[in-house]
Amino acid sequence: TQLLEQSPQFLSIQEGENLTVYCNSSSVFSSLQWYRQEPGEGPVLLVTVVTGGEVKKLKRLTFQFGDARKDSSLHITAAQPGDTGLYLCSVPGSGNTGKLIFGQGTTLQVKP
Amino acid sequence: KAGVTQTPRYLIKTRGQQVTLSCSPISGHRSVSWYQQTPGQGLQFLFEYFSETQRNKGNFPGRFSGRQFSNSRSEMNVSTLELGDSALYLCASSLAGPGNTEAFFGQGTRLTVV
Repeated sequence: TQLLEQSPQFLSIQEGENLTVYCNSSSVFSSLQWYRQEPGEGPVLLVTVVTGGEVKKLKRLTFQFGDARKDSSLHITAAQPGDTGLYLCSVPGSGNTGKLIFGQGTTLQVKP
Repeated sequence: KAGVTQTPRYLIKTRGQQVTLSCSPISGHRSVSWYQQTPGQGLQFLFEYFSETQRNKGNFPGRFSGRQFSNSRSEMNVSTLELGDSALYLCASSLAGPGNTEAFFGQGTRLTVV
């Protein structure tokens, strides 16, 4: 059983469409991060959310942390081909260490 | 500042051989974590080193080991390679202090076992 369940697993859309991907769990977390990974590269951190109900915006990307700090969503407005990639949510492992636990990821393809 | 550097980028090995991968973290980062990424299992945590000590370990067999040097550079070793070890191995460095979990990843080493 995955600690973090991401949905959908795959998403193929046309340029200009909006989309939302989800990261869900039954556990409560102190913080949650979203990463984007492009083919042949390592994941790159997009945002960290720490407060229940928190909303953060990064250009056309909007991130929300659930009120109970168990889930999160990533909404992309007017998707562009450059948004193509694997979107991963992650949470810290137990203790003050560098360990991260990742969801399985959502593969997004934005077609021109 | 320079990012996380992993070498080599690509590697092809035969079953039964061993392999050593290298990671140079961002200057000032004392925590180095290793992850295995496969299509079926996603990103799985292997281990973390902090100030030359293994601070955390994932659920991988003893064939997977690592170490960290005094300059924070890290290596991981996989002995007696199996076909299932084919994966992208990612290294991440961080400050890893209380309340700080931002990880910076290298480009990874793509290992193929034949």
